[in-house]
Amino acid sequence: QSALTQPASVSGSPGQSITISCTGTSTDVGLYNLVSWYQQHPDKAPRLMIYDVNKRPSGVSNRFSGSKSGNTASLTVSGLQAEDEADYYCCSYTATSTSLYVFGTGTKVTLL
Amino acid sequence: EVQLVQSGAEVKKPGESLKISCKASGYSFINNWIGWVRQMPGKGLEWMGIIFPADSDTRYSPSFQGQVTISADKSISTAYLQWSSLQASDTAMYYCARVDRDSCDYWGQGTLVTVSA
Repeated sequence: QSALTQPASVSGSPGQSITISCTGTSTDVGLYNLVSWYQQHPDKAPRLMIYDVNKRPSGVSNRFSGSKSGNTASLTVSGLQAEDEADYYCCSYTATSTSLYVFGTGTKVTLL
Repeated sequence: EVQLVQSGAEVKKPGESLKISCKASGYSFINNWIGWVRQMPGKGLEWMGIIFPADSDTRYSPSFQGQVTISADKSISTAYLQWSSLQASDTAMYYCARVDRDSCDYWGQGTLVTVSA
């Protein structure tokens, strides 16, 4: 099972919006609406930001939103703030891995 | 309050064995899968495997099958990740996470494992 593909880095200015893509296949992202997104700051544990493609857990800012089209899921961060600078990972349920889930390669978000 | 508390950092030599733990509290341990995730230095998250504590149904990612063993003791709400013979390439941060609605909603603080001669 190969990792889902994400861009290595995305950057934006404070207040702008950025979008991170997560490309899988017809046996994971394309087959299930079970994509989640995680934010990880340096030396911290990951934090769940989006689940089931577009749902936000309690406590997550509504500046974070998720979507999916075909085999590609996306995370959009609007009104970029300094605290959004972090690594982001997608994850999907998969039909082809015995461990049920697969992560994306990760994207580093940098503020300009 | 849901919490996953992992055991402390470990420094081991190649060939040694190791078992790290993840103690859950604040919810019914047997009702949720627990996953283990590896993060090598400066690298991304890798899904290692997952266990359902109620019946110890365990699934491994192909990359980790045969390399580690995942287990759980429901009497003390604790999941484990163990190695029988560590290698330098096992040096990494290891996280446990609760799986709910097919996402990892709560994470442990991580256990740093360093393997060095």
